[in-house]
Amino acid sequence: KAGVTQTPRYLIKTRGQQVTLSCSPISGHRSVSWYQQTPGQGLQFLFEYFSETQRNKGNFPGRFSGRQFSNSRSEMNVSTLELGDSALYLCASSYRSGDPGNTIYFGEGSWLTVV
Amino acid sequence: KNEVEQSPQNLTAQEGEFITINCSYSVGISALHWLQQHPGGGIVSLFMLSSGKKKHGRLIATINIQEKHSSLHITASHPRDSAVYICAVRRGNQFYFGTGTSLTVIP
Repeated sequence: KAGVTQTPRYLIKTRGQQVTLSCSPISGHRSVSWYQQTPGQGLQFLFEYFSETQRNKGNFPGRFSGRQFSNSRSEMNVSTLELGDSALYLCASSYRSGDPGNTIYFGEGSWLTVV
Repeated sequence: KNEVEQSPQNLTAQEGEFITINCSYSVGISALHWLQQHPGGGIVSLFMLSSGKKKHGRLIATINIQEKHSSLHITASHPRDSAVYICAVRRGNQFYFGTGTSLTVIP
């Protein structure tokens, strides 16, 4: 069974631009969550989607947004990029949302560099 | 104050040594996860715990809910165990992460 797929793997953007990252969950998984990882802040929760609805959101500004499609694929968007947005963006999927018994599976991540 | 504290931050061990990584948390949780991250970024979920102890190969994870503490043990460590180990606690639909323990196992 294919794992969680994130695209693109690497990208470089300029300050002020916007970026869209994509995540395809494991087949059958309906919950997709996004995380930002930076050397200074470590891993931080961005948001979680389940059945096309945002279930929860971390403490990030409104420039960070996301959505989930009917096939459970998810995208996240960052507008008006800042240098501090340079990070590894990780997506994870699981079968259900909020169920502690669910195993979560991570993608390889998208490395974003803002110059 | 971080909701999840890990120790040590960095750890170097000789091949074959027994390794312990500790995680303490301050919030009520529904589950605790131990994650492994290799250079390059990909994260693998090693264990999900809500009570007791789990074992998978040379890896053992324990959790004490009353003391809000978990440990990850690696027996007979091997250079391929070199990675960053991250403790994450789940509270509802939110995850809180430790800063990670960077483990290097020397042959």
